[in-house]
Amino acid sequence: ETGVTQTPRHLVMGMTNKKSLKCEQHLGHNAMYWYKQSAKKPLELMFVYSLEERVENNSVPSRFSPECPNSSHLFLHLHTLQPEDSALYLCASSQLIDFEQFFGPGTRLTVL
Amino acid sequence: GIQVEQSPPDLILQEGANSTLRCNFSDSVNNLQWFHQNPWGQLINLFYIPSGTKQNGRLSATTVATERYSLLYISSSQTTDSGVYFCAVERPGGSYIPTFGRGTSLIVHP
Repeated sequence: ETGVTQTPRHLVMGMTNKKSLKCEQHLGHNAMYWYKQSAKKPLELMFVYSLEERVENNSVPSRFSPECPNSSHLFLHLHTLQPEDSALYLCASSQLIDFEQFFGPGTRLTVL
Repeated sequence: GIQVEQSPPDLILQEGANSTLRCNFSDSVNNLQWFHQNPWGQLINLFYIPSGTKQNGRLSATTVATERYSLLYISSSQTTDSGVYFCAVERPGGSYIPTFGRGTSLIVHP
């Protein structure tokens, strides 16, 4: 595998479910990002991890819980979501010194 | 915070036409990147271009950092160029936090 991978690619869940999104980067980067993209809206930065420490949290509801166990892996734990949380969730990584970001293919989430 | 404005918001072309997309930003930036989001949602890197001019096939980009804008040129457009084009800049202060524009939605008709 190369680049940035995300699993699952599609997810349908009920409002009472708990699920996790996974992101893995194979680029040797040391920063990772979660974005949300809703229909007809721009990308919203949710979380940033730099050297495995969270450095940004843009007022994201607590029903979204990120985890970065190492520089190659990033998770987004989901619980008691709302239908308005349905969106494309994108993961990206970068080398801190460069800023240039590389994106995964995204997880398309539908909350029923 | 820094403002990033992209124009035009929507663009419809006939295959073979040329186009210029613009990205204006409200403050000095250290880094700027252009992306193409295909209809399946994948964001593809086009250019990492904090300043100067770069070319890659039919695409080229120019960033004039002192005047706070960047341009993306698409020549001889193809239907596969359809999608949304985003520019992203790094917030001032070297934070490595990106700010994205709202994108230009491009449709290329055969």
